[in-house]
Amino acid sequence: QKEVEQNSGPLSVPEGAIASLNCTYSDRGSQSFFWYRQYSGKSPELIMFIYSNGDKEDGRFTAQLNKASQYVSLLIRDSQPSDSATYLCAATSGGSYIPTFGRGTSLIVHP
Amino acid sequence: EPEVTQTPSHQVTQMGQEVILRCVPISNHLYFYWYRQILGQKVEFLVSFYNNEISEKSEIFDDQFSVERPDGSNFTLKIRSTKLEDSAMYFCASSEVNQPQHFGDGTRLSIL
Repeated sequence: QKEVEQNSGPLSVPEGAIASLNCTYSDRGSQSFFWYRQYSGKSPELIMFIYSNGDKEDGRFTAQLNKASQYVSLLIRDSQPSDSATYLCAATSGGSYIPTFGRGTSLIVHP
Repeated sequence: EPEVTQTPSHQVTQMGQEVILRCVPISNHLYFYWYRQILGQKVEFLVSFYNNEISEKSEIFDDQFSVERPDGSNFTLKIRSTKLEDSAMYFCASSEVNQPQHFGDGTRLSIL
């Protein structure tokens, strides 16, 4: 059974701080990892994807992947109240291109 | 930026009735998907579709469900004999080969 685990939160950070969101996955064969942002009542919106060990940066967002530890994280620098949402981690494995989603972590950025 | 569009945004149906949810994927995408999200729960994969046939489906996607690409642009999900537990947000997504999926805004399905 492929599982993607996330702390449901909420994670509360002050505006301007770094928000760190974490995710672990059970299938060692997982190959591709995605972070989606989902506002309440809305659809998932792709933020980042990462395939290789290490860091990948895009603007205020950095995805970090450690395959040995089966761990992927998302850092949000200079957090803004508009970043308040649920962040979904997802992973594909075994040659399937269908991602398995975690439950998501709720992030609250307070002014 | 191209978008996946879904209609209707909200569908209310009596239990036992059939519903058809519609999606227009991004035009150059070749892979199409349906997901559902029950309130407060995970996004769950239902089915993927490529080259005019189902390429992968989950345990959820039983005989109650079917998908179709009736023309060159639309992609539909039909749910027969709806049950109360079918109430959820249904998301359509599309992607290029080996690329991340892009989601539509979803259809909120309410079964009464």
